[in-house]
Amino acid sequence: ELKVEQNPLFLSMQEGKNYTIYCNYSTTSDRLYWYRQDPGKSLESLFVLLSNGAVKQEGRLMASLDTKARLSTLHITAAVHDLSATYFCASPSKGKIIFGKGTRLHILP
Amino acid sequence: DGGITQSPKYLFRKEGQNVTLSCEQNLNHDAMYWYRQDPGQGLRLIYYSQIVNDFQKGDIAEGYSVSREKKESFPLTVTSAQKNPTAFYLCASSSTLPIAGVRDEQFFGPGTRLTVL
Repeated sequence: ELKVEQNPLFLSMQEGKNYTIYCNYSTTSDRLYWYRQDPGKSLESLFVLLSNGAVKQEGRLMASLDTKARLSTLHITAAVHDLSATYFCASPSKGKIIFGKGTRLHILP
Repeated sequence: DGGITQSPKYLFRKEGQNVTLSCEQNLNHDAMYWYRQDPGQGLRLIYYSQIVNDFQKGDIAEGYSVSREKKESFPLTVTSAQKNPTAFYLCASSSTLPIAGVRDEQFFGPGTRLTVL
């Protein structure tokens, strides 16, 4: 069974700290997607990683992809309260896209 | 502006009633998807369609039905056979990359929150 696994599933952290969310996948795709979901809202696309070694940054978030290890990371630098949300990674496979269970990030002021 | 619309935003269903959730996109995407999300949980795939007049069951298709008569539209019917339909329903669409079987990123609609009375 093809899987996308995120770690941790819940993360509570102080403002100003750094942390990393990990996404392991078992599909054979070279692409990986990250999404953000705010409470009660839909999913918003954050990053599209297209190949091995891809790195993308937007503000305090940086995503990277290692297709050999089948691992993507989402790094948060100097967290601020506005980044509190649930983050999903997803990998395409056989006409579908498989989502991880999501990492609920709670940033304490 | 291009995008995905879902209606209604909130829907209430009585026991034994069928209800239909609307999903429309003007992104010219060939593939469309329906997901269910329960509180504090991830996404579960209900149905998806890669081309008009064709669709496939996802992981939790029982109690749901869909149609894909037009490229832009992919309505979901929650039937009375679905015993616990209260959830947040998300519709998404994506295009096909020129790489066999690979889907581009999905774009999501705003969602419909269904509650059973």
